Amino acid sequence: GESVGLHLPTLSVQEGDNSIINCAYSNSASDYFIWYKQESGKGPQFIIDIRSNMDKRQGQRVTVLLNKTVKHLSLQIAATQPGDSAVYFCAENITGGYNKLIFGAGTRLAVHP
Amino acid sequence: DAGITQSPRHKVTETGTPVTLRCHQTENHRYMYWYRQDPGHGLRLIHYSYGVKDTDKGEVSDGYSVSRSKTEDFLLTLESATSSQTSVYFCAISESRGSDEQFFGPGTRLTVL
Repeated sequence: GESVGLHLPTLSVQEGDNSIINCAYSNSASDYFIWYKQESGKGPQFIIDIRSNMDKRQGQRVTVLLNKTVKHLSLQIAATQPGDSAVYFCAENITGGYNKLIFGAGTRLAVHP
Repeated sequence: DAGITQSPRHKVTETGTPVTLRCHQTENHRYMYWYRQDPGHGLRLIHYSYGVKDTDKGEVSDGYSVSRSKTEDFLLTLESATSSQTSVYFCAISESRGSDEQFFGPGTRLTVL
């Protein structure tokens, strides 16, 4: 697959544990945030999004938390599975433009059996 | 990959040659984007399109041009490829102008020797 993760921070977890991936975003005016998952050799896949009028949103096994005060976003994955192993990106956007997302550098999640 | 194809999937070319990458969608989405992905940089926007014949620059547009003659096709051209353009290129689409998830294609790995 594409070697996009050579210098990424890595989070290693045991299968079944909960994972927390963090992201600091750059623009205090950003009001829409997305988490993407990218497996080796594939394009990014949408996981969950959150708008700035919320501080928490839950999906299936995933929760995103938003702290606008410190410009911090986190993705929590419950009961992490081997299939969750991938690179995770956060992205931010400012409503009103042409949906131009700004991506973070990514975090690699390694799940060990 | 949400009805998005990219061609070619892999290409090796020489410095100074022109290269065109194609993105084709079957979703009839209005907005299309070209990103490049490099180790440690996440995804960076090259150009985007907000309609047929309507395009604009992203953050790393130097050395690239785009064209959109039909809703379904968005072409990225490197007029004279350089080694710094060796990268993985992703096309994305979104339905709305506002904050909305983007769906990504499978990527094209380009190597410029």
